[in-house]
Amino acid sequence: GAGVSQSPSNKVTEKGKDVELRCDPISGHTALYWYRQSLGQGLEFLIYFQGNSAPDKSGLPSDRFSAERTGGSVSTLTIQRTQQEDSAVYLCASSFPGGGEAFFGQGTRLTVV
Amino acid sequence: QQQVKQSPQSLIVQKGGISIINCAYENTAFDYFPWYQQFPGKGPALLIAIRPDVSEKKEGRFTISFNKSAKQFSLHIMDSQPGDSATYFCAASIRGGSNYKLTFGKGTLLTVNP
Repeated sequence: GAGVSQSPSNKVTEKGKDVELRCDPISGHTALYWYRQSLGQGLEFLIYFQGNSAPDKSGLPSDRFSAERTGGSVSTLTIQRTQQEDSAVYLCASSFPGGGEAFFGQGTRLTVV
Repeated sequence: QQQVKQSPQSLIVQKGGISIINCAYENTAFDYFPWYQQFPGKGPALLIAIRPDVSEKKEGRFTISFNKSAKQFSLHIMDSQPGDSATYFCAASIRGGSNYKLTFGKGTLLTVNP
């Protein structure tokens, strides 16, 4: 596709359930980011993938959060045993090697009830 | 440790006025400073960016001013319009190398009144 694609666009889940959020980056982009944005808040960095390097997981808030990137392309963010405080918009972005413009997806709005 | 500090948190400007948003950074290795614009329900989109070898960059009504010695940069929106109402994020990164993740400020909610 032409842009970063995220799915689902909306997800409502019950507290304690696991969820998977998917990100399809722009073709050729080796850098991929996940951010979390709570209502009216800024962009909270979660995890960063760059090519074959070890991912920077320094922003993951707890061990309930994990992410993988298969084949250097699609990424999945998994949240286990979801809690109400996990409710937020999860944004994915990708960019070319060497930094520069990051292109964001529309985000997945996660609601934990 | 917040590496990019953005102010103000919110800003209200009359149509036709000048909107000014400021950011300060700590890491002198940063060499790429973009501004992102985010409308409700959308992901952020790149608005304008600057590299530290210039002190100012202008694109239409949007200008970035950069002060390397003070480690500050700012976004100026001239002739602000209601359509400019959005959240603006400054960011910084280190280009090249193996780790150039973008570090964002906390954002500024701009409201331009008609």
